[in-house]
Amino acid sequence: RKEVEQDPGPFNVPEGATVAFNCTYSNSASQSFFWYRQDCRKEPKLLMSVYSSGNEDGRFTAQLNRASQYISLLIRDSKLSDSATYLCVVNRANFGNEKLTFGTGTRLTIIP
Amino acid sequence: NAGVMQNPRHLVRRRGQEARLRCSPMKGHSHVYWYRQLPEEGLKFMVYLQKENIIDESGMPKERFSAEFPKEGPSILRIQQVVRGDSAAYFCASSHRTGRETQYFGPGTRLLVL
Repeated sequence: RKEVEQDPGPFNVPEGATVAFNCTYSNSASQSFFWYRQDCRKEPKLLMSVYSSGNEDGRFTAQLNRASQYISLLIRDSKLSDSATYLCVVNRANFGNEKLTFGTGTRLTIIP
Repeated sequence: NAGVMQNPRHLVRRRGQEARLRCSPMKGHSHVYWYRQLPEEGLKFMVYLQKENIIDESGMPKERFSAEFPKEGPSILRIQQVVRGDSAAYFCASSHRTGRETQYFGPGTRLLVL
């Protein structure tokens, strides 16, 4: 079983729609959680960190459920510029375990 | 404030040659991480270094691959006797401190082995 699992998609969504991605992780020792986005042939860029209380940044909302080991990302009022691959990332974040573990990503295409 | 810098951005090598990939972390960052992304796959951790020390190399292949982060100069990922399966994008990330600090990624080096 992969340590971080995501639906690879692709998700083809009309502009203005709401889209949600889910991710599960297997290591209960994971402490930090992130969503990164990666544009084609570019480096991953941090979209947002994910906290247990849930957090929002403009049109983006992230949720974490530690009991179910489940992370979600909601994008409202989607824009053409949201087209990218969204990477679910976890980190055990204690000394000696700083490496990020990436899901394979969910590909999103916003259709005009 | 320059971000993480990597060079070269593209590198072509023939089988059996050596590849050297360089990474300069963001100013003030002393923690460097290397990740590899094979075609159509997710990023995989390779190695974590601080200045002059390898902290975690659990993701490094046992042979042909080595990494260093000297006191002065960039971090180097070295691949000896490259094979076609080494063709991938190699990303470097840096952070200010360890633990929950955000890792910022460089633009990557795309290695093609002919």
